[in-house]
Amino acid sequence: DAGVTQSPTHLIKTRGQQVTLRCSPKSGHDTVSWYQQALGQGPQFIFQYYEEEERQRGNFPDRFSGHQFPNYSSELNVNALLLGDSALYLCASSDGQGSPYEQYFGPGTRLTVT
Amino acid sequence: AQSVAQPEDQVNVAEGNPLTVKCTYSVSGNPYLFWYVQYPNRGLQFLLKYITGDNLVKGSYGFEAEFNKSQTSFHLKKPSALVSDSALYFCAVRPPASGTYKYIFGTGTRLKVLA
Repeated sequence: DAGVTQSPTHLIKTRGQQVTLRCSPKSGHDTVSWYQQALGQGPQFIFQYYEEEERQRGNFPDRFSGHQFPNYSSELNVNALLLGDSALYLCASSDGQGSPYEQYFGPGTRLTVT
Repeated sequence: AQSVAQPEDQVNVAEGNPLTVKCTYSVSGNPYLFWYVQYPNRGLQFLLKYITGDNLVKGSYGFEAEFNKSQTSFHLKKPSALVSDSALYFCAVRPPASGTYKYIFGTGTRLKVLA
């Protein structure tokens, strides 16, 4: 049973560029959340997608946007990259129909903005 | 403001000794509480959760946690530490309010188990 997968593993971008990160949820899960984990910090909630809609959003600017596809996979897009966007981006999935409380995390995408 | 505090950046314990990693929270109502572990270059792995019921919950790899409502704490414990338990541990809460789905994480505690 495949767990949560994310791509790419690492990414280097220049300030002002745009980036797209991808996530496939654990089999059977229909809810995807995205988190930003800066160095030495805990994960910060960006947003959650359920039924292809953004269900809740954290305190992140509109430069951060997302999408969920009919197969429940998801993308995180960040526009106009800043140096401060350098972080580990984590995707987490959960089962909206069963136990909604446990989130399963992917290995993350390490984004470096230069 | 809703928050989670992990007051210790690092905890050192000798192998075979009991360990405790502390967590306190500031959330109104009865939150859902979680512990996750993160190994280098890996995502977070779920250890255990408290939703309701018995205040002592048991989780993966011999870990357990005790929910204390009066002290708003959810400390992680293990009776006998292993060197392989060395990792970064995160406490998280999900506020109970309807329509709230985000998890609030602490800043993490690095556990170092010495052989």
